[in-house]
Amino acid sequence: GAVVSQHPSWVICKSGTSVKIECRSLDFQATTMFWYRQFPKQSLMLMATSNEGSKATYEQGVEKDKFLINHASLTLSTLTVTSAHPEDSSFYICSAHGLGTGAFFGEKLFFGSGTQLSVL
Amino acid sequence: GEDVEQSLFLSVREGDSSVINCTYTDSSSTYLYWYKQEPGAGLQLLTYIFSNMDMKQDQRLTVLLNKKDKHLSLRIADTQTGDSAIYFCAELMDSSYKLIFGSGTRLLVRP
Repeated sequence: GAVVSQHPSWVICKSGTSVKIECRSLDFQATTMFWYRQFPKQSLMLMATSNEGSKATYEQGVEKDKFLINHASLTLSTLTVTSAHPEDSSFYICSAHGLGTGAFFGEKLFFGSGTQLSVL
Repeated sequence: GEDVEQSLFLSVREGDSSVINCTYTDSSSTYLYWYKQEPGAGLQLLTYIFSNMDMKQDQRLTVLLNKKDKHLSLRIADTQTGDSAIYFCAELMDSSYKLIFGSGTRLLVRP
């Protein structure tokens, strides 16, 4: 099946630094990528939706200047957590919606393995 | 607003059936999903059901949908230790393609 590669798997950083997380679709083109955040024992919460070549759409309550999303190509989207603070520590996971017709949305949506961010 | 709810924990013996329940709020959702998440891993799509269906069976998995009560369930027959994971139900918001996830049910399978 289709593969979404997300790197790094985990990262520990000092407070105030920026962290970049990459999400790549390895064997398909992704017109839309979604970024989620998951706090311990909680559900995945959608942060933003990014379409290739255009600005990301952020969910209510998510600071766009803090969580920078770039979707410059059909196979790569990046999430940069700027000036990270301990409250940003969380599990971040991306998903990619593949190009294609004839298949409904859910069958063309693939998730990365996630990035555990710990901010000291 | 949009809300999907699940019980947090379920423990079963190996070989028994597991039933994970979910309630959702948006009656206009066309698709409802079940995902499995193993420790430190991404989400794996297990199965889905269209809103005009009452039941869907896929090998050991059976999905039941009660649209009137907005209730969705996932039954795993002959549960194995490898089924231990967190199971999320999710509804697709048709207008935005957003997936709204439940809080997840942690399934523990005892030998």
